[in-house]
Amino acid sequence: AQSVTQPDIHITVSEGASLELRCNYSYGATPYLFWYVQSPGQGLQLLLKYFSGDTLVQGIKGFEAEFKRSQSSFNLRKPSVHWSDAAEYFCAVGPFSTGGYNKLIFGAGTRLAVHP
Amino acid sequence: GAVVSQHPSWVICKSGTSVKIECRSLDFQATTMFWYRQFPKQSLMLMATSNEGSKATYEQGVEKDKFLINHASLTLSTLTVTSAHPEDSSFYICSARLQPNTGELFFGEGSRLTVL
Repeated sequence: AQSVTQPDIHITVSEGASLELRCNYSYGATPYLFWYVQSPGQGLQLLLKYFSGDTLVQGIKGFEAEFKRSQSSFNLRKPSVHWSDAAEYFCAVGPFSTGGYNKLIFGAGTRLAVHP
Repeated sequence: GAVVSQHPSWVICKSGTSVKIECRSLDFQATTMFWYRQFPKQSLMLMATSNEGSKATYEQGVEKDKFLINHASLTLSTLTVTSAHPEDSSFYICSARLQPNTGELFFGEGSRLTVL
């Protein structure tokens, strides 16, 4: 069965500290992986995505993620967290084709709190 | 980037009434839109795929007669919650993709429905 696991429900870090949010997936085929961020009461914004090629992908707002096929993981990282990064982060996996549709499976989310 | 807008952002209604939520792609045409439901502090659950000019495709367990979806134009999809009950209270989020598919989903701001 296809699934996405985000082991950490809630993480608190100090401003300026580094951050790593974990994501593990179970998917039958080559996965396409995404990280989205959601601010309270808002929709989702794409941070970054991995389709193929370089396993280290760069995203917006200084985020990056590394795809590790052997570990079925796609962890999100940021070297120095800003207070504005406090939000809910969702990892998602799905199929992708130019003619198909994106039926994404989302993880449960990780809520990030940032201490000043 | 592509912009998706939802209206209304907040709606409160009495039990037994119907509520319509609109999802618009403002600067692009979307042949396919997706409706998600999000319970408090939980992940997104795909409810249905809305296809312009044809019937929506509902996910297993989603009542199509309860959640009516109409995708009458290339820029508008509507979700109508019929005979709403308190258990229908939730955060509803729509998303759309570009054509040709770039792999990214663009999300609306979400609509919070409260049924009294």
